[in-house]
Amino acid sequence: SQTIHQWPATLVQPVGSPLSLECTVEGTSNPNLYWYRQAAGRGLQLLFYSVGIGQISSEVPQNLSASRPQDRQFILSSKKLLLSDSGFYLCAWTPQSRSPLHFGNGTRLTVT
Amino acid sequence: DQQVKQNSPSLSVQEGRISILNCDYTNSMFDYFLWYKKYPAEGPTFLISISSIKDKNEDGRFTVFLNKSAKHLSLHIVPSQPGDSAVYFCAASDGGSQGNLIFGKGTKLSVKP
Repeated sequence: SQTIHQWPATLVQPVGSPLSLECTVEGTSNPNLYWYRQAAGRGLQLLFYSVGIGQISSEVPQNLSASRPQDRQFILSSKKLLLSDSGFYLCAWTPQSRSPLHFGNGTRLTVT
Repeated sequence: DQQVKQNSPSLSVQEGRISILNCDYTNSMFDYFLWYKKYPAEGPTFLISISSIKDKNEDGRFTVFLNKSAKHLSLHIVPSQPGDSAVYFCAASDGGSQGNLIFGKGTKLSVKP
């Protein structure tokens, strides 16, 4: 069966520090991969999605970037974190469109 | 501009009664709708979906109704149980190749024993 792993579960970082969040999917090939963010009191906002290795689409211009170095690996990065980057970051995958997204357990990021 | 709206931030229901969660959308290109359930500090879990070719889909205690003319969908939980207490997100897609979902802000359901 397919599983999605996301780490770390929690992270506290100072303003201006770099960020790297990693997500991997097991048990499937060529998934669509996504990064979402849930800010306090808000819904889930799509940040990036990828339909293949090296293919990244950004939905919201911001201080973050994403990369997909391998088929089942998706990385969210920042060179310099801002206070506004705090939130709950979720990685998700789907085998194709018109299929439900399956989410990881998320990373709670607090920028201080 | 919010394309998927959940206008009730919270809902409280007695155990055993029906819970009705509502969702409205504005984009007429949406043709695939989903409901997710989320506990604190966890990722959302898929509950049930419906395609625009249907107006009802049922799975156990969960039923989703779609009214395309009103651009409205609802999730019914019968009977409600304390374990159903969570935040429920409505999501929609236009079926594009990317499979992107647009989410509402969520409704927090509390089921009281």
